Amino acid sequence: QQPVQSPQAVILREGEDAVINCSSSKALYSVHWYRQKHGEAPVFLMILLKGGEQKGHDKISASFNEKKQQSSLYLTASQLSYSGTYFCGTENEGGGSQGNLIFGKGTKLSVKP
Amino acid sequence: NAGVMQNPRHLVRRRGQEARLRCSPMKGHSHVYWYRQLPEEGLKFMVYLQKENIIDESGMPKERFSAEFPKEGPSILRIQQVVRGDSAAYFCASSPSGRSYNEQFFGPGTRLTVL
Repeated sequence: QQPVQSPQAVILREGEDAVINCSSSKALYSVHWYRQKHGEAPVFLMILLKGGEQKGHDKISASFNEKKQQSSLYLTASQLSYSGTYFCGTENEGGGSQGNLIFGKGTKLSVKP
Repeated sequence: NAGVMQNPRHLVRRRGQEARLRCSPMKGHSHVYWYRQLPEEGLKFMVYLQKENIIDESGMPKERFSAEFPKEGPSILRIQQVVRGDSAAYFCASSPSGRSYNEQFFGPGTRLTVL
């Protein structure tokens, strides 16, 4: 039931783009994306709800494909501050919409100068 | 507007002792979630509480662990008779309502070390 994130780790040069995927074996109601830096609290990026929407702000955007039961996070023109571990948290359909999230194991992103 | 507060930030306990972790949600938030994170792992849901009620404790071990969120005061996660395997970072998150479309705001976490 835990969503699968890919890749597990990625190294970028400043200015490069990256895509992080989050796949579930169950139908999803919502997908939450967070970034966590080492030793710190996870920081919210965005929520996508069932409906196949796409969201974005600045150079970080995400899509939610209901049929494929997956979400993708897009980071464009990466900056050093983007470094961290990215987690997707999912809520399955029929889960009561209570916000009880199941998190993936994370994707570690390192941006080098 | 203060964020989610957790204390202590670091807690060291010997095997068999009790650990009490506190979480004060953001002002106006009455929904609290507790998560456990092992090194290099994702966050694992433990329990979801609303003021004075446990809504979902499906992720919490049946023994030794308990949680409460009283009408007044912080939410508390209590671990009795701690064992080495309890060593982890414990995060709480708060939300204005317990709905999927609401962002969860995370606290800085309590890092529990069991000797």
